[in-house]
Amino acid sequence: QQQVKQSPQSLIVQKGGISIINCAYENTAFDYFPWYQQFPGKGPALLIAIRPDVSEKKEGRFTISFNKSAKQFSLHIMDSQPGDSATYFCAATSFGNEKLTFGTGTRLTIIP
Amino acid sequence: DTEVTQTPKHLVMGMTNKKSLKCEQHMGHRAMYWYKQKAKKPPELMFVYSYEKLSINESVPSRFSPECPNSSLLNLHLHALQPEDSALYLCASSQVQGGYGYTFGSGTRLTVV
Repeated sequence: QQQVKQSPQSLIVQKGGISIINCAYENTAFDYFPWYQQFPGKGPALLIAIRPDVSEKKEGRFTISFNKSAKQFSLHIMDSQPGDSATYFCAATSFGNEKLTFGTGTRLTIIP
Repeated sequence: DTEVTQTPKHLVMGMTNKKSLKCEQHMGHRAMYWYKQKAKKPPELMFVYSYEKLSINESVPSRFSPECPNSSLLNLHLHALQPEDSALYLCASSQVQGGYGYTFGSGTRLTVV
């Protein structure tokens, strides 16, 4: 019940296209859903996060869509750029829970 | 200062060596974490310190020994490691007890030979 399932495992998108990564969770106690971006040899960096009281959050080219009834959330990267090439992890947690449950990761490659 | 600083960035150690990893933050965060990350995998939680006290040990082998000398510092002491312990070791901190607002360091790339 603590799992967060993430897909796809890898994704290749043309420059200027839309990259979409999906995650699904089971634990209805989760109330905070962050996305992390990780470049090789670096630690994960918080990209954007959402709480279940909103269905969408946008920050620049990055948008999280959240479907509470389906227990799914997704990251959309608009106008994808080569600099977006990285591994993306979705995650979930709840207030007071010291553990951050990560998805399995998506390796995104943006080609010119 | 909005960073978590980890030293060293790279470490190569033999199986009989003793070494330590260091983590420092000056954001006033009261929860600090050690994670282990293998290639192409998500980070795995090892230890959680809350208000300088160990609150979670995820059944980590005793060859890994954490220490939290004060609210800004977190150490991970290593002894008699195995080659399979080679990984990226990440430190993180958060403002409140819980996963909100995690900030990760850049990690220490550990190789055990």
